[in-house]
Amino acid sequence: QQQVKQSPQSLIVQKGGISIINCAYENTAFDYFPWYQQFPGKGPALLIAIRPDVSEKKEGRFTISFNKSAKQFSLHIMDSQPGDSATYFCAARNALSGYNKLIFGAGTRLAVHP
Amino acid sequence: DTAVSQTPKYLVTQMGNDKSIKCEQNLGHDTMYWYKQDSKKFLKIMFSYNNKELIINETVPNRFSPKSPDKAHLNLHINSLELGDSAVYFCASSQVGIGTAFFGPGTRLTVT
Repeated sequence: QQQVKQSPQSLIVQKGGISIINCAYENTAFDYFPWYQQFPGKGPALLIAIRPDVSEKKEGRFTISFNKSAKQFSLHIMDSQPGDSATYFCAARNALSGYNKLIFGAGTRLAVHP
Repeated sequence: DTAVSQTPKYLVTQMGNDKSIKCEQNLGHDTMYWYKQDSKKFLKIMFSYNNKELIINETVPNRFSPKSPDKAHLNLHINSLELGDSAVYFCASSQVGIGTAFFGPGTRLTVT
């Protein structure tokens, strides 16, 4: 199964709060899990990525937590700011398909209120 | 600026017309993609080219025909446009073996 399931569909967080977006997958051939951030009218931009041999990766206020046995991964945005308001996509790459074919989750629209 | 660029940014046309979208990347990548983002923001891969060779062709109507004149360019030609083709089309590029795909700014296609 190629699907990546993402939740929630939308999220409202107060400034300074923690935003948490979750993704789950079934295909154990997935070997690379990036998160993309998309602002209105722009293309998706890579935010942070993780490989399944690592349980956590942190870059600034953004952290990916990865649970290989549960086949779940999540994005945590600490100290959320209004400028973080965007749509966030998790994705997964199937190592067996080659050529970096990414399967995207449905997206989470994050609104950070001041 | 190193980037993935697309033209045009907006495309409004009538049903039945034929249109093209152009994409160029100057990142030195060897693989390029077309993704479609529908009105619900769902992103789905359509095609991928590696060094001018078609390697991924999802179940896309054959009215869509990609062409890659060289590994830095990937164009998308759409024949007999239909209302359901209205979407934002993103070009992307990456290097084989490295998972990161870099996306262009998108082309918003509206078919009336």
